[in-house]
Amino acid sequence: SQTIHQWPATLVQPVGSPLSLECTVEGTSNPNLYWYRQAAGRGLQLLFYSVGIGQISSEVPQNLSASRPQDRQFILSSKKLLLSDSGFYLCAWSAAPGGGFSEQFFGPGTRLTVL
Amino acid sequence: DAKTTQPNSMESNEEEPVHLPCNHSTISGTDYIHWYRQLPSQGPEYVIHGLTSNVNNRMASLAIAEDRKSSTLILHRATLRDAAVYYCILRAYGNKLVFGAGTILRVKS
Repeated sequence: SQTIHQWPATLVQPVGSPLSLECTVEGTSNPNLYWYRQAAGRGLQLLFYSVGIGQISSEVPQNLSASRPQDRQFILSSKKLLLSDSGFYLCAWSAAPGGGFSEQFFGPGTRLTVL
Repeated sequence: DAKTTQPNSMESNEEEPVHLPCNHSTISGTDYIHWYRQLPSQGPEYVIHGLTSNVNNRMASLAIAEDRKSSTLILHRATLRDAAVYYCILRAYGNKLVFGAGTILRVKS
């Protein structure tokens, strides 16, 4: 069966510090991968998605970046965190669409607090 | 992406059915109607989806209006574990989900 891992689970970082969040998927190959952010009391915002190694699409302008160095690994990074980067970061995967619908499966999330 | 409108919150009694409405008057012919829910401090999970016909699965039922401009997620017997934020999302072919604010469902014992 497929599983999705995220770490760390929680993180407290000072403003201006770098960030690296990691997401890995097991039990599937060539998944579509996604990074979402949920600010406190808000809905989920899609940040990045990837359909393959090295292929990243950005949904919103920001000081975050994403990379996919391996098929089942997705990394979210920042060189300098802002207060507004605080939130609940969720990684998700779906099977590459062959016929339309493909359910997205979400990881447990990383709660980031920037002070 | 076509927009959906959901009530901010709803309340239900345990063991009673819950009908969660969603309006999507600008839906296009290729938009599927998806429902996800998010339990506190967790990532969202898929509930159900449909295109034109009503759908049933082990979690819920989805009733879709004939003109497809609205739909209703039906939980047949709400439990305390069903307390969550429920998102109604329209999606055409492809995999990007656009989440709105959703409906906060509170279940009373």
